[in-house]
Amino acid sequence: DSGVTQTPKHLITATGQRVTLRCSPRSGDLSVYWYQQSLDQGLQFLIHYYNGEERAKGNILERFSAQQFPDLHSELNLSSLELGDSALYFCASSFDRSGYNEQFFGPGTRLTVL
Amino acid sequence: AQSVTQLGSHVSVSEGALVLLRCNYSSSVPPYLFWYVQYPNQGLQLLLKYTSAATLVKGINGFEAEFKKSETSFHLTKPSAHMSDAAEYFCAVSSPGGQAGTALIFGKGTTLSVSS
Repeated sequence: DSGVTQTPKHLITATGQRVTLRCSPRSGDLSVYWYQQSLDQGLQFLIHYYNGEERAKGNILERFSAQQFPDLHSELNLSSLELGDSALYFCASSFDRSGYNEQFFGPGTRLTVL
Repeated sequence: AQSVTQLGSHVSVSEGALVLLRCNYSSSVPPYLFWYVQYPNQGLQLLLKYTSAATLVKGINGFEAEFKKSETSFHLTKPSAHMSDAAEYFCAVSSPGGQAGTALIFGKGTTLSVSS
């Protein structure tokens, strides 16, 4: 158990819908990273938040957005869903934003878009 | 921009044999390098990391990796494979100061199979 929790574990929805994925970092960790894992694209970085502020963006679509709240949990919002958005979404937390410290990964949310 | 190339999407070894998983990286700034393992239906777990201290890094479960700047490589090895090592392995680079900041940029992964 990494100490990072993600809900829900599984999500099945239809094209065009909007979903919200939730991540609670390890106690004391200020950084939250979101990653997408799919068969064709592999593991891709989406976005990084540190202490409530966006720090870096990766290959995140405009239909996707995220935020980190004062209690440090984070939410990833996916809208106008397409079949290709079906993937495993991981969040990871780290103590700071130095890159030196380990990122601890949650168990992931498996999104299926029908 | 940073990138990682893992040579061989699938590696098969016999139990007790040497494990060698290859990773080459590209980074315009001094990198941090990581190996993660993913077991089926689970998240990723850190095996080891290089953060500019010793070039030979020892990790968990008997794995180690050597950072070779001249070859831009960070290959993962284990002297003797165990059945429980069967999993998917990811090499990743983080380049603070680079475009992606401290995010991990992953390779495509290598699936390790271990036969008895």
